Amino acid sequence: GAGVSQSPRYKVAKRGQDVALRCDPISGHVSLFWYQQALGQGPEFLTYFQNEAQLDKSGLPSDRFFAERPEGSVSTLKIQRTQQEDSAVYLCASSLAAGAGPQHFGDGTRLSIL
Amino acid sequence: RKEVEQDPGPFNVPEGATVAFNCTYSNSASQSFFWYRQDCRKEPKLLMSVYSSGNEDGRFTAQLNRASQYISLLIRDSKLSDSATYLCVVNLFNNAGNMLTFGGGTRLMVKP
Repeated sequence: GAGVSQSPRYKVAKRGQDVALRCDPISGHVSLFWYQQALGQGPEFLTYFQNEAQLDKSGLPSDRFFAERPEGSVSTLKIQRTQQEDSAVYLCASSLAAGAGPQHFGDGTRLSIL
Repeated sequence: RKEVEQDPGPFNVPEGATVAFNCTYSNSASQSFFWYRQDCRKEPKLLMSVYSSGNEDGRFTAQLNRASQYISLLIRDSKLSDSATYLCVVNLFNNAGNMLTFGGGTRLMVKP
């Protein structure tokens, strides 16, 4: 489809495992964002890419979280040594330009850590 | 204190009612403002932008008061399909880009 695509849709992992979440932004979109949404809360910013450059990672909760976008298109959010508090929906959004503009969200990956 | 605050609700209203949601934000340098709608287990979707002059889109009216750092959304003639969580969103464009800051959302349930 033409929208932001995220995979997997659902992920269950045991505490301590590493996970990788994928985001395919809308083709040609320069900006890509990752957000974390806990149950009953609004999304919270994690990190931002402009093309392949990670310009802001101030929202990443710990050094166990790592994101990359090596070719300026697909992005991967990796969480190492997962903890139960990492359980959340991880949303990816993209926007066409680097400046202000509407962000288009994917369906998210629902991560459950047992 | 959260940067964007909303009453979580839920607001339970009958069909046809008018309902209003409010939101306050703490950063006076915020530059643009939005209301997003999020259905259960779905992604947030842009409902409308919010301008100082106020703007209307059908049954939805949004207002921004920069002096009070306050944003509102008014829904007239509520429909069952309006049931969702409404997220107040603030954009503080900085050198790092176009980061959106979300409120916790206000849940609306419209009943027959």
